[in-house]
Amino acid sequence: EAGVTQSPTHLIKTRGQQATLRCSPISGHTSVYWYQQALGLGLQFLLWYDEGEERNRGNFPPRFSGRQFPNYSSELNVNALELEDSALYLCASSRGTPGNTIYFGEGSWLTVV
Amino acid sequence: RKEVEQDPGPFNVPEGATVAFNCTYSNSASQSFFWYRQDCRKEPKLLMSVYSSGNEDGRFTAQLNRASQYISLLIRDSKLSDSATYLCVVDVTNAGKSTFGDGTTLTVKP
Repeated sequence: EAGVTQSPTHLIKTRGQQATLRCSPISGHTSVYWYQQALGLGLQFLLWYDEGEERNRGNFPPRFSGRQFPNYSSELNVNALELEDSALYLCASSRGTPGNTIYFGEGSWLTVV
Repeated sequence: RKEVEQDPGPFNVPEGATVAFNCTYSNSASQSFFWYRQDCRKEPKLLMSVYSSGNEDGRFTAQLNRASQYISLLIRDSKLSDSATYLCVVDVTNAGKSTFGDGTTLTVKP
């Protein structure tokens, strides 16, 4: 069974540009989560999607947004990129509501120059 | 105060040692608890869930103390391959926000 897959693996953007990151959950998982992990720091919760809707959002500005598609895949968009957005963006999925184990993809490294 | 707090370490121990990590959480509505392991520049991977009665998986033992709002992870007979960052994870049911501690770094040396 395929795990959580993310693309691209690495992405380099310049300040002010937009970045789009994509995630495919494990088959049968309806919830998708996005986390940001800056180098050397902890995971910061960004967004939770379930059944196509945004269910919860972390303490990030509105330029961080996303969506979940009918096939439960998801994308994260970061507009007006800033240098401090450089980080590993991790997508995770789970069956239904939390309390179930979440499984992570290998992440997308975003570098803003 | 952070919702989930861990001693960042680093813990440097010799092979064969026993090491324990603690994690405290602030939200009394927390329902589910986990330990994840994260290797350098890799994604976190589930190590074990933590049950109210405590649970063991080989050399790893996890315990939960709801009254004091902390969970612990004990690693016995440490191996070099145990070197990693260990993340404490706390879920508030239906919040959709698994909260991660910042992690405790363990280095096991020969």
